Amino acid sequence: SAVISQKPSRDICQRGTSLTIQCQVDSQVTMMFWYRQQPGQSLTLIATANQGSEATYESGFVIDKFPISRPNLTFSTLTVSNMSPEDSSIYLCSTSHLSHGYTFGSGTRLTVV
Amino acid sequence: DAKTTQPTSMDCAEGRAANLPCNHSTISGNEYVYWYRQIHSQGPQYIIHGLKNNETNEMASLIITEDRKSSTLILPHATLRDTAVYYCIVRVAYNQGGKLIFGQGTELSVKP
Repeated sequence: SAVISQKPSRDICQRGTSLTIQCQVDSQVTMMFWYRQQPGQSLTLIATANQGSEATYESGFVIDKFPISRPNLTFSTLTVSNMSPEDSSIYLCSTSHLSHGYTFGSGTRLTVV
Repeated sequence: DAKTTQPTSMDCAEGRAANLPCNHSTISGNEYVYWYRQIHSQGPQYIIHGLKNNETNEMASLIITEDRKSSTLILPHATLRDTAVYYCIVRVAYNQGGKLIFGQGTELSVKP
């Protein structure tokens, strides 16, 4: 299956700032997904990112807050903008490929102070 | 999107089979059932998936009822390392986005 490298693994950020999370896959993949996992909760899908098109956001998530880039078939970024303490979560990227199934990165643990 | 319902928590004795149930009564004909688990602070790990037939791999077995409204994940000989949160997921068809929508999961505790 595909191997995902996600950076940074953790960060502590000041409120009002932005953080960009990178997700690199070792093979070309069709779809990439970004999830948020708040403390003690399950994973919530933020958006689906397909190469060459705008990301599709789930209800409750907007592009201004979580802009996503998908410049090619192996890379994507998620930015958490204008952060507040409520954004403290683990953010995970995931890939989908017909022959690889679904693979998840190890996550970015974000703390906003 | 089809929803899943799982018990919040379960206990299992080490060496015994762990049977984790899942209800997905609104599943559509082209939607797959996936099982993932998440060990604390790690990304979710794939276990198994199926459409309508029972499936088995080196990790587990998946039993899907004939009407596809429920399924059971079976870990045949649970070990302490199987302690994790187990998620039953109905995967949206690829031509509708192919996304995995997670429910709340079952926290499985394997005890000595």
